[in-house]
Amino acid sequence: DVKVTQSSRYLVKRTGEKVFLECVQDMDHENMFWYRQDPGLGLRLIYFSYDVKMKEKGDIPEGYSVSREKKERFSLILESASTNQTSMYLCASSLVSPQGYTFGSGTRLTVV
Amino acid sequence: SQQGEEDPQALSIQEGENATMNCSYKTSINNLQWYRQNSGRGLVHLILIRSNEREKHSGRLRVTLDTSKKSSSLLITASRAADTASYFCATDASTGNQFYFGTGTSLTVIP
Repeated sequence: DVKVTQSSRYLVKRTGEKVFLECVQDMDHENMFWYRQDPGLGLRLIYFSYDVKMKEKGDIPEGYSVSREKKERFSLILESASTNQTSMYLCASSLVSPQGYTFGSGTRLTVV
Repeated sequence: SQQGEEDPQALSIQEGENATMNCSYKTSINNLQWYRQNSGRGLVHLILIRSNEREKHSGRLRVTLDTSKKSSSLLITASRAADTASYFCATDASTGNQFYFGTGTSLTVIP
């Protein structure tokens, strides 16, 4: 069964901490994505990557960075966590050609 | 933003009835997708429809696309309690494979 695995289901961090959210897929997908989901705002694209060591900004990249050193792993980094980054973070992957995304179960991050 | 917009925001129906959700978007697209999200979980892909297609079926799901009106609809026939979830449409950028999601329709199917 194909999978996108997010390392943590729930996470609580303090303001100012550096936070790493990990995402691993086992489907040999080229494309990987990070979204955040907030009530009333839907899913908003933070960053995406079409290849190893490649990254592109989405709609809301401020305060975030990403790393893709290996094809199967796409990490989202909050350089200095703030309370307005409290959210549900969703990772997804897909093949090159337009295909449905496979999503992870999400990481609910709370910054206190 | 290229984010789509679903309508209605919330929908409540009796089991066995049909549920229709609509999605409107602003810019030209190549593909449109629909997803389901059960409470607090990741999204599950339901169907993808390309801009040159007008209608697509998958089981009890029927999706239509009207590119002239920049709108799509998702019909779930003979709904079941297990269909209770949020439903999202997603549209792609004019270039690239990234998709932009709407705010969703929350569907409640009452047994």
